[in-house]
Amino acid sequence: QSALTQPASVSGSPGQSITISCIGTSSDIGGYNYVSWYQQHPGKVPKLMIYEVSNRPSGVSNRFSGSKSGNTASLSISGLQAEDEADYYCSSYTNTGTLVFGGGTKLTVL
Amino acid sequence: QVQLQESGPGLVKPSQTLSLTCTVSGGSISIGSYYWTWIRQPAGKGPEWIGRMYTSGTTNYNPSLKSRVTMSLDTSKNQFSLKLTSVTATDTAVYYCAREKGGTGAPDYWGQGTLVTVSS
Repeated sequence: QSALTQPASVSGSPGQSITISCIGTSSDIGGYNYVSWYQQHPGKVPKLMIYEVSNRPSGVSNRFSGSKSGNTASLSISGLQAEDEADYYCSSYTNTGTLVFGGGTKLTVL
Repeated sequence: QVQLQESGPGLVKPSQTLSLTCTVSGGSISIGSYYWTWIRQPAGKGPEWIGRMYTSGTTNYNPSLKSRVTMSLDTSKNQFSLKLTSVTATDTAVYYCAREKGGTGAPDYWGQGTLVTVSS
C-alpha cells in the first residue's frame, strides 16, 4: 500500500483560512468514507481532529472541517490561530482492511 | 477516560525481536466494539500503521510488515502486545499503541509512544 499524498507545507496568516489536500486512490480514499485527520505538535502524540471524512470528535474546534471528492480528501482550517501551527496527517481505510497514512503537511502560521 | 501506555526495551540489536506491551486503563480491552492497534513513526516522517487486533483474536497487518509481525491480547491483564522479528535500523521509530473505535477507521486514543532504536 502506498502512502497518501499531501503537500509538504502550507502557510497562512492569523485569521485566514487554509486547506490541506490528501490524494489517494479508489482503493482507499475513493472507496470508503473512512478518512481521518490528525494534528501533531513537535514531540507530541498525534491528535484525532476529523474522522469519517467530516466528523469532529468532542472537544475539537469547529474551525476544523473535512471533506472528500473522488480520491481526494481535504482538511480546512478557518480563522487560523498560532496554536494551529503543527504537522497534519491524513489517513484512510483501504480495500485490504488496513489503514494508510499520508506523509504529512507542515502548517506554518505566519 | 481510557489511557494507554507502551512499555518495552528502548534498544534492540539488529536481527533480534522487538517486543512491546500496551497496558490499557480506564476501560476493558474485552469490549467488542474496539480494535487495538500499533502504529509507528520514524523521526521526521509520517506515521505507519502496523496492524490491529480484534477482541476475537482476529488480526490485520500492514502487508509490508506482515511476515515479521505478531500481535496478541491478554485480557486478564488488560494488555495487548506487539512482536516484530528480524529488525533492522529501518525499524527505528517511536511506537504507539492506540484504540480504534470499530467502524470508524480512526484510532482515537493513543499512548504516549516509546522510542525503539535498533542498533548494535
